[in-house]
Amino acid sequence: KNQVEQSPQSLIILEGKNCTLQCNYTVSPFSNLRWYKQDTGRGPVSLTIMTFSENTKSNGRYTATLDADTKQSSLHITASQLSDSASYICVVTPDSWGKLQFGAGTQVVVTP
Amino acid sequence: DADVTQTPRNRITKTGKRIMLECSQTKGHDRMYWYRQDPGLGLRLIYYSFDVKDINKGEISDGYSVSRQAQAKFSLSLESAIPNQTALYFCATSDYLSSYDEQFFGPGTRLTVL
Repeated sequence: KNQVEQSPQSLIILEGKNCTLQCNYTVSPFSNLRWYKQDTGRGPVSLTIMTFSENTKSNGRYTATLDADTKQSSLHITASQLSDSASYICVVTPDSWGKLQFGAGTQVVVTP
Repeated sequence: DADVTQTPRNRITKTGKRIMLECSQTKGHDRMYWYRQDPGLGLRLIYYSFDVKDINKGEISDGYSVSRQAQAKFSLSLESAIPNQTALYFCATSDYLSSYDEQFFGPGTRLTVL
């Protein structure tokens, strides 16, 4: 069973609108949680990394939040742009060095 | 990430053929990884290497082998390809000295086994 579940699987949003992606995990204990962006035909690129003691981390229009008590994270995209169309992957590291646990990703499509 | 390159980018082969996927990096990282990505699934670790003399199996190593020819080069081989090895393959690197051991991914190799 995947220890990292993401929702929704996909969503379509209008350019300029905001959206929020969800990540629930069962990995415990964990060292850090990351969000990656994967453009079609490209490798994943890191957006944010948060340790268990951090609640929020921003990278431009991307803001990630983490609730280690409920084992939930979210990625909020503000004022979406066409270039935000991609798959967003939640990744949890189980320990100080860990074999990363990847979610299946949320496919985001931004339309004009 | 241009610092991590993979060759070939696309490959179509037949069942039973031997295939080698190559990964090179100019980041100077000591750690290298091979993953596969299937539709609807998260990336899964095939093999990883912490340095030239260190090779470790990941969660799905059956049917694969690797070679760490140098710090900058890590190759993945399919000795006898089968159709369910059709997938997107990614190489990644990381620096153990970094705070989060962040992994940097190559552009991927799309492999189709007929």
